[in-house]
Amino acid sequence: GESVGLHLPTLSVQEGDNSIINCAYSNSASDYFIWYKQESGKGPQFIIDIRSNMDKRQGQRVTVLLNKTVKHLSLQIAATQPGDSAVYFCAESTTDSWGKFQFGAGTQVVVTP
Amino acid sequence: GEEVAQTPKHLVRGEGQKAKLYCAPIKGHSYVFWYQQVLKNEFKFLISFQNENVFDETGMPKERFSAKCLPNSPCSLEIQATKLEDSAVYFCASSPRGEYMDIQYFGAGTRLSVL
Repeated sequence: GESVGLHLPTLSVQEGDNSIINCAYSNSASDYFIWYKQESGKGPQFIIDIRSNMDKRQGQRVTVLLNKTVKHLSLQIAATQPGDSAVYFCAESTTDSWGKFQFGAGTQVVVTP
Repeated sequence: GEEVAQTPKHLVRGEGQKAKLYCAPIKGHSYVFWYQQVLKNEFKFLISFQNENVFDETGMPKERFSAKCLPNSPCSLEIQATKLEDSAVYFCASSPRGEYMDIQYFGAGTRLSVL
């Protein structure tokens, strides 16, 4: 079996409800942010991104909100589905070090029927 | 190919042995990135390449770790004399141009277990 590892923050959501996943970032110079979804045994999958000159961006069933004042990023998933169960990571980068992403700690989302 | 291909999926090494991981980026992508993920969390950037040239190696441990991207070959990440703390999943990602706001597409990772 697997070794004991770090316990991720977990968000339990009922199917059909909305999910909100939060991320605090530390670098005030960060100007580009991405949300990734990682399913078990797979690599991170791009969900949505946002530039620092925006405070909101919407995709299909997902919305990202950026509050630069408090260095906070959130991902909202509308009408959560079982396929949304995964670990979600925020990642940040700066124009000076683009391509070199700093990932957040990850949040496990568990969708219950 | 249409996806980043990483091999092998799982690699087991005894402490002190060498480990070599491979990554084939998406066809046409010029930039390759390596990340280390420990304990299903904590992604750490290691190194990036622009074609066969090192672009940013600020995350690479100074000793034991090396990486290459040679023309017409998969990129590789090599760890000499592995240690227990090298146990992790190593992800490779590629992007088309490496430009600001270019999306990185990740492979499925190679799980390295050092015993």
